[in-house]
Amino acid sequence: QVQLVQSGSELKKPGASVKVSCKASGYTFINNAMSWVRQAPGQGLEWMGWINTNTGNPMFAQGFTGRFVFSLDTSVTTAYLQISSLKAEDTAVYYCARVRYSNNWYFDYWGQGTLVTVSS
Amino acid sequence: SSELTQDPAVSVALGQTVRITCQGDSLRSYYASWYQQKPGQAPVLVIYAKDNRPSGIPDRFSGSSSGNTASLTITGTQAEDEADYYCNSRDSSGNHVVFGGGTKLTVL
Repeated sequence: QVQLVQSGSELKKPGASVKVSCKASGYTFINNAMSWVRQAPGQGLEWMGWINTNTGNPMFAQGFTGRFVFSLDTSVTTAYLQISSLKAEDTAVYYCARVRYSNNWYFDYWGQGTLVTVSS
Repeated sequence: SSELTQDPAVSVALGQTVRITCQGDSLRSYYASWYQQKPGQAPVLVIYAKDNRPSGIPDRFSGSSSGNTASLTITGTQAEDEADYYCNSRDSSGNHVVFGGGTKLTVL
């Protein structure tokens, strides 16, 4: 069965970096793009962008350029989200989600989420 | 603000039918999908591509669309359906994904 398993919670100081992993299993990793979605405390879902798992080409939503990096290690079927120069407003749960397409994009499997807390 | 508009909160009596709507210009051309999120849990896909149910999703969940509005209908609402519901589609550029602001469903 398809599973996306993310790394554990992180507590970071402002200005530091964090790298979140998303280990995929149960399907052919390079057949589906992987998306990242942010959810700030008490807020809704916010699409950050995705990475083409076949080419490694990323696409970022507005507001997620510059400090955000999507990467892959296809040998271990894992996607990564790295955020640099962390700010308090980056405190959120970050989800990875498998991308599917039928007239439009949707997300059929989600990781359990990784809480990133940025605090001095 | 999101390019997809949802009512922030909706309530329904146990066993009754409720419709949750999502409005946006992209919905005239592209299908919406819907996600259920319970507190402390990851979102779960309940409807994709307008009116398709993934395996394991009860058939009391259905989707539809008309003009710029997509709808998620729950027929015979159960207590366990109390959750936040989000729609998604494309933004005005057509190149990016966008989520609606979410609807908190309360089952009375």
